[in-house]
Amino acid sequence: AQRVTQPEKLLSVFKGAPVELKCNYSYSGSPELFWYVQYSRQRLQLLLRHISRESIKGFTADLNKGETSFHLKKPFAQEEDSAMYYCALSGQGDDKIIFGKGTRLHILP
Amino acid sequence: DGGITQSPKYLFRKEGQNVTLSCEQNLNHDAMYWYRQDPGQGLRLIYYSQIVNDFQKGDIAEGYSVSREKKESFPLTVTSAQKNPTAFYLCATGTGGAVTQNEQFFGPGTRLTVL
Repeated sequence: AQRVTQPEKLLSVFKGAPVELKCNYSYSGSPELFWYVQYSRQRLQLLLRHISRESIKGFTADLNKGETSFHLKKPFAQEEDSAMYYCALSGQGDDKIIFGKGTRLHILP
Repeated sequence: DGGITQSPKYLFRKEGQNVTLSCEQNLNHDAMYWYRQDPGQGLRLIYYSQIVNDFQKGDIAEGYSVSREKKESFPLTVTSAQKNPTAFYLCATGTGGAVTQNEQFFGPGTRLTVL
């Protein structure tokens, strides 16, 4: 069965410290992985996807097929990174995306 | 922000009443989706539509109904059969199709409170 697991409901990190939001997935085929972010009073929006291999707002995420993980990382946290982060998965040819339950990231001053 | 509008932003209804949430888009996207967002539950898919006059049940369709008469519009009706309707409802669109286009775009949401 397709599943996305985000083990942390809340992650508190001091400003300037490294951030890692964990995401593990279960999928039998070739998945496409995403990270979506929802800042306070803003719409949910795409942050990055593995196929693009890009860094957005200092965040990167590498797809590890061996560990079935897609952890989101940033070397130095900023206060504006405080938000709700959702890991999501879709399969080739799928017409829907499966979301994890989300991790709230709180950057401490 | 534009492209996807949901109205109203806040909606209050009495228990036992049906209520319809609006979702309109001008992005010319084929696919539209309805999610329910509850604390600690993430986003759960209610219904989705890939093309006009066609839609499929998501993971939690019971107590909900939809229609897709126009490409731009995908209204969601929360019926009296929905046991726990109070929630934040998100509408999304997507280009669908190829893997590289499977990004979704979200509306601002409607918070429904059933009294």
